[in-house]
Amino acid sequence: DGGITQSPKYLFRKEGQNVTLSCEQNLNHDAMYWYRQDPGQGLRLIYYSQIVNDFQKGDIAEGYSVSREKKESFPLTVTSAQKNPTAFYLCASSPSGTSVVSYNEQFFGPGTRLTVL
Amino acid sequence: AQSVTQLGSHVSVSEGALVLLRCNYSSSVPPYLFWYVQYPNQGLQLLLKYTTGATLVKGINGFEAEFKKSETSFHLTKPSAHMSDAAEYFCAFLPTGNQFYFGTGTSLTVIP
Repeated sequence: DGGITQSPKYLFRKEGQNVTLSCEQNLNHDAMYWYRQDPGQGLRLIYYSQIVNDFQKGDIAEGYSVSREKKESFPLTVTSAQKNPTAFYLCASSPSGTSVVSYNEQFFGPGTRLTVL
Repeated sequence: AQSVTQLGSHVSVSEGALVLLRCNYSSSVPPYLFWYVQYPNQGLQLLLKYTTGATLVKGINGFEAEFKKSETSFHLTKPSAHMSDAAEYFCAFLPTGNQFYFGTGTSLTVIP
């Protein structure tokens, strides 16, 4: 089955530690996204990538980093510089990259809940 | 500024009653509009989308939405609520390119 997988489902880390959240898709989509979800705030865009080896900051990129070395993978690292990292993180993908104006919907993974102890 | 607003962070309806979840957008270009549903601790699932053409859009699970340009709205409706409809609903807006703008969500409670 095609889809987006995120691992792990639940993640705990101590303050001061970096942690990497995995996102893999087998939909052959060009674009991938990371969102952070907090209660009452909806989804906020952290980073997005429209093609391999390229990515852009979203609205709340500070304290996060990403890489896009492969089309199917877009890992997110939550660094110790992120002041309040406890949240639900969602990865998404969509078919189109930079070549056309896209109105394609985004497909979402099941999410990773990160808790900082 | 481009944005999407969902009116009402919490909506409660009785089972069998009409569901109406409100969404308004602000855009200087023709919008593409979406409704997503999220069940607890899960990702978002697309309910329906409007891109061009017919302004009344039908989606999954009996939901539909109507794009009204004059009112800058894209409200989600379902004639008869079911217990399984209890979830968080997000309106999303794609003005151009690939960056979505999501509303803050509406939590739907269905009362038996």
